[in-house]
Amino acid sequence: AQSVSQHNHHVILSEAASLELGCNYSYGGTVNLFWYVQYPGQHLQLLLKYFSGDPLVKGIKGFEAEFIKSKFSFNLRKPSVQWSDTAEYFCAVRGNNRLAFGKGNQVVVIP
Amino acid sequence: EAQVTQNPRYLITVTGKKLTVTCSQNMNHEYMSWYRQDPGLGLRQIYYSMNVEVTDKGDVPEGYKVSRKEKRNFPLILESPSPNQTSLYFCASSSSRERHNEQFFGPGTRLTVL
Repeated sequence: AQSVSQHNHHVILSEAASLELGCNYSYGGTVNLFWYVQYPGQHLQLLLKYFSGDPLVKGIKGFEAEFIKSKFSFNLRKPSVQWSDTAEYFCAVRGNNRLAFGKGNQVVVIP
Repeated sequence: EAQVTQNPRYLITVTGKKLTVTCSQNMNHEYMSWYRQDPGLGLRQIYYSMNVEVTDKGDVPEGYKVSRKEKRNFPLILESPSPNQTSLYFCASSSSRERHNEQFFGPGTRLTVL
């Protein structure tokens, strides 16, 4: 079964700072990769996904992620965060009909 | 409006009292799944279903049951709830026709077992 690792569970940064969240996975087969966001009190929403083609994927709200196959990584980035980006971010890997999530990154953006 | 609905949204119960959390989707999705979310542990899959009458265990199935008698519904059953099942539960669905389709999540059910 696949597994997903996310580091730095709690991230605190100021508005306009750059954000990068790491995601590493382990799975031997073909994978689809996702980043979900959960705003306070809400359910998960898709930020972006990768399934093939260009390894640099652009999502909503200025987020992007890069798939590096050799490193089994799918890191999320945003050049300049806003207060409204305060949320929990989850990396997920789909393989063999199962979706596995990382433990999440709690991101707090200070105005 | 395309959506996944869950009921109830909040539930407080006592140990051993059977309960069911309903999940329904109106997108004609084949794939449905239940997750529990706990602080510091992320989301862990409880059970999933590839289609009607086809269910399989996820990572943490102990203490839970599911059924998939109709395509749109995927109830989660706790026959004898225990305090360690206090958690936030999410139902999700997706189309199986495209492997890379993302899952659509319900609003969540916050369960407290005393």
